[in-house]
Amino acid sequence: AQTVTQSQPEMSVQEAETVTLSCTYDTSESDYYLFWYKQPPSRQMILVIRQEAYKQQNATENRFSVNFQKAAKSFSLKISDSQLGDAAMYFCAYRAINDMRFGAGTRLTVKP
Amino acid sequence: ETGVTQTPRHLVMGMTNKKSLKCEQHLGHNAMYWYKQSAKKPLELMFVYSLEERVENNSVPSRFSPECPNSSHLFLHLHTLQPEDSALYLCASSQGSDKNYGYTFGSGTRLTVV
Repeated sequence: AQTVTQSQPEMSVQEAETVTLSCTYDTSESDYYLFWYKQPPSRQMILVIRQEAYKQQNATENRFSVNFQKAAKSFSLKISDSQLGDAAMYFCAYRAINDMRFGAGTRLTVKP
Repeated sequence: ETGVTQTPRHLVMGMTNKKSLKCEQHLGHNAMYWYKQSAKKPLELMFVYSLEERVENNSVPSRFSPECPNSSHLFLHLHTLQPEDSALYLCASSQGSDKNYGYTFGSGTRLTVV
């Protein structure tokens, strides 16, 4: 079974600085998709970025980018120029058929 | 509006009560999901419906009963719950059940069992 591990329960970053959130996963499949979701206090999970495993190029979405290391099964999220609105829980997820497996989450605090 | 609407937003119920959670999407998605989110734990998949048929039932106790009357609506019927069932219940939908489709989530129902 696929598992997703986020080893950082909490992270903190200064406004305008850069922070990296870690995620590792375990799978025997070669073709899969990975996602990062953000959950602010409003509770709604919002898609931040997604990565297709067969694509070597790392995905980017404005200030958000990933470092996808397929051999190491690592999928970290980098947030550049952090803003107060980035404060939230961040979840890494592995997409399987009929399911999405989530890590336990990392709570990101942004200091003004 | 996110596209996936969950009601009620908060629910407090006694262990002998019967209540239902509702989820609605008008995104034209074909798959819908119930997840349980407890503090400091990964989201737990409860049920999956694809094209209105239940395709996954993840060893959930029978006190939770899902219903999917059409592709836009999903219910979670609750009866004789336990205090440990208190959690945030999230509904999600996706265009399909294949791996390339991400989820759109609702804002959840915060359930407290007293």
